[in-house]
Amino acid sequence: GENVEQHPSTLSVQEGDSAVIKCTYSDSASNYFPWYKQELGKGPQLIIDIRSNVGEKKDQRIAVTLNKTAKHFSLHITETQPEDSAVYFCAASINTGTASKLTFGTGTRLQVTL
Amino acid sequence: NAGVMQNPRHLVRRRGQEARLRCSPMKGHSHVYWYRQLPEEGLKFMVYLQKENIIDESGMPKERFSAEFPKEGPSILRIQQVVRGDSAAYFCASSPGHLEKLFFGSGTQLSVL
Repeated sequence: GENVEQHPSTLSVQEGDSAVIKCTYSDSASNYFPWYKQELGKGPQLIIDIRSNVGEKKDQRIAVTLNKTAKHFSLHITETQPEDSAVYFCAASINTGTASKLTFGTGTRLQVTL
Repeated sequence: NAGVMQNPRHLVRRRGQEARLRCSPMKGHSHVYWYRQLPEEGLKFMVYLQKENIIDESGMPKERFSAEFPKEGPSILRIQQVVRGDSAAYFCASSPGHLEKLFFGSGTQLSVL
């Protein structure tokens, strides 16, 4: 089955700096890659996603890049703010004609310091 | 439009008891997924259901665990004869279709004493 690895496990940046989180996946058939943000005591919230037919997607301060050849994708957060502090999860899934399920990375705890 | 609703938020059970976790998907969503999360770990897929059908239960233990999504009412994840190792956060997610984005509930924290 699919295996997703995520690095780093913890990341501390100063407010205003950029943060980058990287993930690799094992199954070349994976074609959908969402990123989730989880705050303490809450469920994961989808923040951005990308499908395998594009290499990059941006939404304000958040961007995701995908390298299908190398089977890795990355989350980039620019101009970080304290409210960006949370645990971030990458995921990959194979969306077939009948079913799909997400395989998650182990998470990155991002701390944005003042 | 209310989000995915899970209850209870916290559930305490003694070893050997049964745990029932409920999930009401977002309005208009007919696909439900259950995930389990241990502390400092990612979410592990358990089961994927559509109305009255289990589509994929490859992540669910063969014994003691079962799930359903009836025609009417919430999806239920049932754990019989709980053991301490079942203690975890259980998250439900829903989507309008199998190729669509997943929206997660706030989870149920199960503690087995």
